[in-house]
Amino acid sequence: QLQLQESGPGLVKPSETLSLTCTVSGGSISSANYYWGWIRQSPGKALEWIGNVYYSGSTNYNPSFQSRVTISLDTSKNQFSLKLISVTAADTARYYCARRNWQKVDYWGQGTLVTVSS
Amino acid sequence: DIQMTQSPSSLSASVGDSVTITCRASQNVYSYVNWYQVKPGKAPKLLIFGASTLQSGVPSRFRGRGSGTDFTLTISSLQFEDFAVYYCQQSYAVTPWTFGQGTMVDI
Repeated sequence: QLQLQESGPGLVKPSETLSLTCTVSGGSISSANYYWGWIRQSPGKALEWIGNVYYSGSTNYNPSFQSRVTISLDTSKNQFSLKLISVTAADTARYYCARRNWQKVDYWGQGTLVTVSS
Repeated sequence: DIQMTQSPSSLSASVGDSVTITCRASQNVYSYVNWYQVKPGKAPKLLIFGASTLQSGVPSRFRGRGSGTDFTLTISSLQFEDFAVYYCQQSYAVTPWTFGQGTMVDI
């Protein structure tokens, strides 16, 4: 059974970089069939797709984050990561890592809460 | 971006009831709509993809219908474990995928 687990700091200071890692078990992120991505939910708001990375390393990002986000793979560790620079309080959210299976997200992590505050 | 408008934002129901959640897209998304269930502290769960296809392992009391701009998720014979928040999502426009605001189903 595929499992995804987010990890990273729960508190980030404004203007700094938010960095999260997703560890995948029960399957390989090198598979050509899937994309690996990040979705977040800010308090009181809808789920928001941030972007995803393909096994080849190619990426798709939500234009709302385009200038601030990087999603990358570490195939040696079967992990992928999210970096979001210049964060503000508006980036406070629960961040989920997920597997995109063509036109759907079929596996999610439990999510990790990140608070942006000084 | 394609906007997904869900209604109602919340509803109260009892075990055994049938409930329907509606999702309207701001433009034609054909059948590229998925539905997810979210519970606190748990990984979100895919229920329906392609508007009407039940994800493997999901009980048949969940049914998705619709195409174009109007979609519904119906849960028949509500069970205790179904009390959660439900989201629709369009996957027609890849950049970006967008979600509805969510519908909380509670007792």
